[in-house]
Order: sequence, then structure tokens, then C-alpha cells
Amino acid sequence: GNSVTQMEGPVTLSEEAFLTINCTYTATGYPSLFWYVQYPGEGLQLLLKATKADDKGSNKGFEATYRKETTSFHLEKGSVQVSDSAVYFCALRTGGADGLTFGKGTHLIIQP
Amino acid sequence: DGGITQSPKYLFRKEGQNVTLSCEQNLNHDAMYWYRQDPGQGLRLIYYSQIVNDFQKGDIAEGYSVSREKKESFPLTVTSAQKNPTAFYLCASGPLEGWAEAFFGQGTRLTVV
Repeated sequence: GNSVTQMEGPVTLSEEAFLTINCTYTATGYPSLFWYVQYPGEGLQLLLKATKADDKGSNKGFEATYRKETTSFHLEKGSVQVSDSAVYFCALRTGGADGLTFGKGTHLIIQP
Repeated sequence: DGGITQSPKYLFRKEGQNVTLSCEQNLNHDAMYWYRQDPGQGLRLIYYSQIVNDFQKGDIAEGYSVSREKKESFPLTVTSAQKNPTAFYLCASGPLEGWAEAFFGQGTRLTVV
């Protein structure tokens, strides 16, 4: 079956620090990969996605590259802001009817 | 604006009662999903539907029921058989294509009192 593993949080950084949140996956088939962000008390918002190997998804300064050889999709940002504090979910989809498979989420805290 | 609307945002239930959470989408998506979110456990799939009048159980369907009478609507009923219903419930919709992302509502927080 499909599964997603991401680093457990909370991850605490200072403003302007470099961010990496690791995500690795196991999939039957050739997945599309996603990062979602959730702010307190809200639903999930798509942050970025990649649909084939070596694709780089990017949005709002965040980037992630689809690495098929290492089955990874690590999220990076060069300089984080306090407003980036949220929970980040890595997810995949292989075309099955049951939609996305999610990791457990990483709580990111950015201190001023 | 196109999107997914969940209501209510907060819901309180007495033990032994059934409650229904609403989910409506105007994105013309075929697929709809219900997830449950508990602290530290990520999102777990309750039910999903690809087409009107058809739906399938997800990983944690016990104690829940759904219907899909219209393409736009996918209500979730939390029955009295659900032993631990206090959680944050998220509805999502999306195209059937395997490369496509899902779009989420704002969630309903259910608390048993």
C-alpha cells in the first residue's frame, strides 16, 4: 500500500533561518506528490505539487523536488517568516479512488 | 467564488445522539472525501465517493455514515456507535484524475459534551 513518512515536530526555528522538512514515501505505482499547509483552526491549503520525477514544485518561496531514486519530496525555504508557522503535510496520490495518502504532519514554529 | 463549504464550524453533541456534518462544493468535482483529524495522527480517511449514489468505506468508517444524492453534496453523519467522536472533520473534493490535488473545506470541530 501507500504510505508517507515525514519528520515529527514541532520544528522550532528563528526568523530568516533555512527550513527543511523531510518527506519520504512508499507507493504502488507512480505517484503525484503534494505539500499542504494548515493554519490553526482551518482546513488544508495546497502549497505545491509535482507530478513526475525531477519536477520541482514551488510557491511562496517554498520548494520541493520529486526525487524518484530516493522516494523523497523534501520541503525547503531559504528564509522563513513568523507567518510560516503552521502544520505542513506531505501527501501522495497514485490514481486510486481513495484519493490522497497523508503523512502525520509537521508542526513548524517560527520565532521572531 | 468556487469552493467547498462545511457547516457548522463548531458542533456540540450529547452522548447517544447522531449529528450530521454538511459539505457542499461548487467546483464540479466528481470525487468527495471525509477525513478525521486528531492531534499527532494526521488525516484518516472515513468515506469517499466517486459518483452520485455510490460511496466506499475508508480506513475508519465504523460509527459513521454518508450519502451522495447530489454531485455537490456529501454529508457525514456521526452516529451514536462512534465511541470517540470528538475530533476535527475535514471534507475535500477533487477530480478523479490521479495527478490532481484535493481541495479542502474549513473543517468542523465536533465536541461531545
